[in-house]
Amino acid sequence: DAGVIQSPRHEVTEMGQEVTLRCKPISGHNSLFWYRQTMMRGLELLIYFNNNVPIDDSGMPEDRFSAKMPNASFSTLKIQPSEPRDSAVYFCASSFSTGRGHEQYFGPGTRLTVT
Amino acid sequence: GDSVTQMEGPVTLSEEAFLTINCTYTATGYPSLFWYVQYPGEGLQLLLKATKADDKGSNKGFEATYRKETTSFHLEKGSVQVSDSAVYFCALKVTGGGADGLTFGKGTHLIIQP
Repeated sequence: DAGVIQSPRHEVTEMGQEVTLRCKPISGHNSLFWYRQTMMRGLELLIYFNNNVPIDDSGMPEDRFSAKMPNASFSTLKIQPSEPRDSAVYFCASSFSTGRGHEQYFGPGTRLTVT
Repeated sequence: GDSVTQMEGPVTLSEEAFLTINCTYTATGYPSLFWYVQYPGEGLQLLLKATKADDKGSNKGFEATYRKETTSFHLEKGSVQVSDSAVYFCALKVTGGGADGLTFGKGTHLIIQP
């Protein structure tokens, strides 16, 4: 399997622009997670889906952030409008289950820079 | 809420030295515990895990034991190599109740010198 696929790997955009990050989970996995990594705050869970349904979005910073999972093989994280403080590495992860001890497999991340 | 505390480093050691990275946690339920490793420019990879008290997770010479009495999950390796240089994250997961994401520590940057 190719693992979790994220695109783009790097994104540079100007403040106010819309940014869309994409994720393809591992085939057969039914849970998908979006995390954000910054120097100040470390790794934070933004939102996660189970069977394509959003379960917990309490980590989404504000209304400028939205996430969708239209099917089992694709998810997007959108920021509109983007701000410099959104600059971070965004990771997507998937797992076979949310059961106890189940491993989450991480993608390589998207490094977002907002100028 | 749930939280994980670990030494942030950087931790610099010589090759073949003994490694300990401390990790303690607070959790609202009975968590599973994990160590993830991140190499430069890459995503996180699971290193080892433990799902109940007194379990020992091990992989690639690394070990960690789930100590419920001290709420700890310290990572150890008897003889480190240059290739172990990376950032190590301790994490927990409390299953169920809509809280199935991982809670991470801030990460420990490990540098191994030849």
